[in-house]
Amino acid sequence: AQKVTQAQTEISVVEKEDVTLDCVYETRDTTYYLFWYKQPPSGELVFLIRRNSFDEQNEISGRYSWNFQKSTSSFNFTITASQVVDSAVYFCAPRGGSASKIIFGSGTRLSIRP
Amino acid sequence: DGGITQSPKYLFRKEGQNVTLSCEQNLNHDAMYWYRQDPGQGLRLIYYSQIVNDFQKGDIAEGYSVSREKKESFPLTVTSAQKNPTAFYLCASSPGGPRGSYNEQFFGPGTRLTVL
Repeated sequence: AQKVTQAQTEISVVEKEDVTLDCVYETRDTTYYLFWYKQPPSGELVFLIRRNSFDEQNEISGRYSWNFQKSTSSFNFTITASQVVDSAVYFCAPRGGSASKIIFGSGTRLSIRP
Repeated sequence: DGGITQSPKYLFRKEGQNVTLSCEQNLNHDAMYWYRQDPGQGLRLIYYSQIVNDFQKGDIAEGYSVSREKKESFPLTVTSAQKNPTAFYLCASSPGGPRGSYNEQFFGPGTRLTVL
């Protein structure tokens, strides 16, 4: 069975603070992909990042960075110097290597206060 | 420009009526999906289709039906058998194929359905 957990329901920080969103994915698959999506108030989901299970190299792209640790099944997402426009719901969404379905976590609502 | 369109944006239905939500994509994607989102919750898969004329039930298919007669279209019908249809419905597509799991999904803007 596969299980994705986003334990943080809501996070609120002041603008310019760094914030990390947590995701834990439990699976017996040896190959899988991990996606993060952002859902702004408009409702449409926007793809942010994809990582595969055999690449644990952390990555930085602008203000975004990702930390994937296969040993702990964690795939965390950090926003550096947060901005009000980052306010949204963020979903962790893993996908098994042989599956056609993406599993969505329950989401973390991020609020950035000016 | 390419993308996914869903119509209408807002839909109101009386109890006991069937209603069809439209989803069209011009991305030439093989796979298409329908999700339901309830307030404060994640997405739940209703139906998905990996190829024309074929589709599979997702996790919450009861009370819904779909068709996939054309590659670019995947309409969803919410039937009167769906007891609690008020929700936000999202359509998505992805390239599919042998590397299907590698590909992200592209989402439409969604349809908000309210049962009166």
